[in-house]
Amino acid sequence: DAGVTQSPTHLIKTRGQHVTLRCSPISGHKSVSWYQQVLGQGPQFIFQYYEKEERGRGNFPDRFSARQFPNYSSELNVNALLLGDSALYLCASSRTGGNTGELFFGEGSRLTVL
Amino acid sequence: SQKIEQNSEALNIQEGKTATLTCNYTNYSPAYLQWYRQDPGRGPVFLLLIRENEKEKRKERLKVTFDTTLKQSLFHITASQPADSATYLCALDILSGANNLFFGTGTRLTVIP
Repeated sequence: DAGVTQSPTHLIKTRGQHVTLRCSPISGHKSVSWYQQVLGQGPQFIFQYYEKEERGRGNFPDRFSARQFPNYSSELNVNALLLGDSALYLCASSRTGGNTGELFFGEGSRLTVL
Repeated sequence: SQKIEQNSEALNIQEGKTATLTCNYTNYSPAYLQWYRQDPGRGPVFLLLIRENEKEKRKERLKVTFDTTLKQSLFHITASQPADSATYLCALDILSGANNLFFGTGTRLTVIP
């Protein structure tokens, strides 16, 4: 079975632009979470969606938004990009939306903002 | 303030020895604690989960302990191999109702042949 897939794998944007990152969870998983990992740091929680509804939101500005589609895939959108948004964006899927248990991470989308 | 600290950014050990990684936290009350492995440029991979009422968990050459009084978890890799070289992340789950794990900054382990 395929794991969590993310696209694009790498992208470069300039300040003020907008970016959309995509994630397909493992088949049968209904929950998708997004994490931001800045170089040298651990991942930081951005959002979780379960059954197309937002279950949790981390401490990120409103420039960050996400949604989940009926097939459980998800998009993360970031508007008005800042240099500090440069990071590895990780998507993780799980079967359930509540207690965390094991998260299955994708390989990430590496965003560079110039 | 809330903190999750993992011992030293980098740890070098000789092949065959036991690697011990530390995760200390303050101002959290985790119900579960997880350990992940992350290779450069890759996503984290789940290794072990231990609950607050469990003292120890084992999986093959891996062992995790969890002391809620000390607010500390120890992660051991016995008979270490060069293939164990990676960054290891501890993550706290406070059962917020969302898949919101709080990660430490990680310890980069290098096993020297």
